[in-house]
This record gives sequence, C-alpha cells and structure tokens, in this order.
Amino acid sequence: SSELTQDPAVSAALGQTVRITCQGDSLRNYYTSWYQQKPGQAPLLVIYGKNNRPSGIPDRFSGSSSGNTASLTITGAQAADEADYYCNSRDSSGNHWVFGGGTKLTVL
Amino acid sequence: QVQLVQSGAEVKKPGASVKVSCTASGYTFTSHWMHWVRQAPGQGLEWMGIINPSGGSTGYAQKFQGRVTLTRDTSTRTVYMELSSLGSEDTAVYYCARDNSDSTPVWWFDPWGQGTLITVSS
Repeated sequence: SSELTQDPAVSAALGQTVRITCQGDSLRNYYTSWYQQKPGQAPLLVIYGKNNRPSGIPDRFSGSSSGNTASLTITGAQAADEADYYCNSRDSSGNHWVFGGGTKLTVL
Repeated sequence: QVQLVQSGAEVKKPGASVKVSCTASGYTFTSHWMHWVRQAPGQGLEWMGIINPSGGSTGYAQKFQGRVTLTRDTSTRTVYMELSSLGSEDTAVYYCARDNSDSTPVWWFDPWGQGTLITVSS
C-alpha cells in the first residue's frame, strides 16, 4: 500500500474546475510534485513544490497544500487533460520517495 | 535539450536478471541524481531507487533491497538498473527520471526516459 493516498478516479465536465487530492503524513513535512500520464507515454511533470509549473505547462494547472493534503487543481478542464495523475513526495522516513496510487481524470 | 534515452525492450525468463541503461544528454551528468521508477501493466508508478552519478552512492526502496543494483558510467553518461531473480510480477515498464531539487526543499522528477518494457515469461 502507498503512503500517499489518492482517489482512484474523478470526472469533470469540459471547462469545469477539478481538484485532485493526495493525502499522507509525510506531506506535513515535504512538498509534493505532480505528474500527468497519458496512455503509452512517460509521466510528465506538471506541478512541483508550493505551486511551480514547468515551462510549457498551461496556467490552468495549479498546486496547493494544507496539513497532510496536497491538491492539484485544473481550472477549466480540457479534453487534453484527460489522463492519470500521480503525486510524489518523500516517504515518512524522509529517506526515500513514494508515489500515490494515481487518479484517473475523465473530462466529459 | 535535456534528454534521457533508455535501452530497448527485453524478454526474460523467470529467475534471470535484466540490466536497463539510461543515457543522459544536455546537462552536467554528475550534477543530478537519477531515479528509477517502474509501472506494471495497468498499475501505478512505483519508486525503486536512486543513484548519485557523481560518487555512485545509492538508495533503494525496501521492496527491492537485495534484488536491484544501480550503477553508473560517467564516461558514457549512462546509469544502469539491474534487477535479479525476475518473476512474472516484474513485468513492467521501467523508467529513469532525473532528480531536481531546490532549497525549499522540494524534489521533482524531470525529465523522464521513454521507458523500457521488460517482459518476464517462460
């Protein structure tokens, strides 16, 4: 079992705002990074740290954190955003890394 | 541009070992640690371990301790992941991903290699 917990699936209407969450005790001490993965592709970094977007990632993607929960928010979801999303952080020992189980986003 | 290129797909028999390579370009190889992550068919991402290309120090997920070995060759800017005693449950796509960090501190994996499919089958 993962030390980071994500909802297995979420859905959103086209243009709606959707939030994907990641819970874990280690998140009280460490920031999260978020990855988008489309079928047959390698994961792609979309958000890291407090709320940093790599070059090329649309500004509709944002991140936040409170207590033991980190969130990835997509403001105005697009069909192109349909994918699996994974959170990642250090584990509770701080020595290793761990991924959440992933959330499948469906844009209706 | 920064790029990680992995070796090609392989089919292995149960009990065998496999060694996957990841060759880096576009940045100072010894300035960034490298992670290995795997993904079984239809499953999520699983962190396996990390190597420092500069000194060769490593860290492994407990699940893989004793079965995975990460090495590097600075002359060819390549890191290797060797997994032994393969079983059918090791059938997966294996990725390398460059580690990045800042003083916050925060860590992130970027970029990723294209992935290498390892199939374990008799």
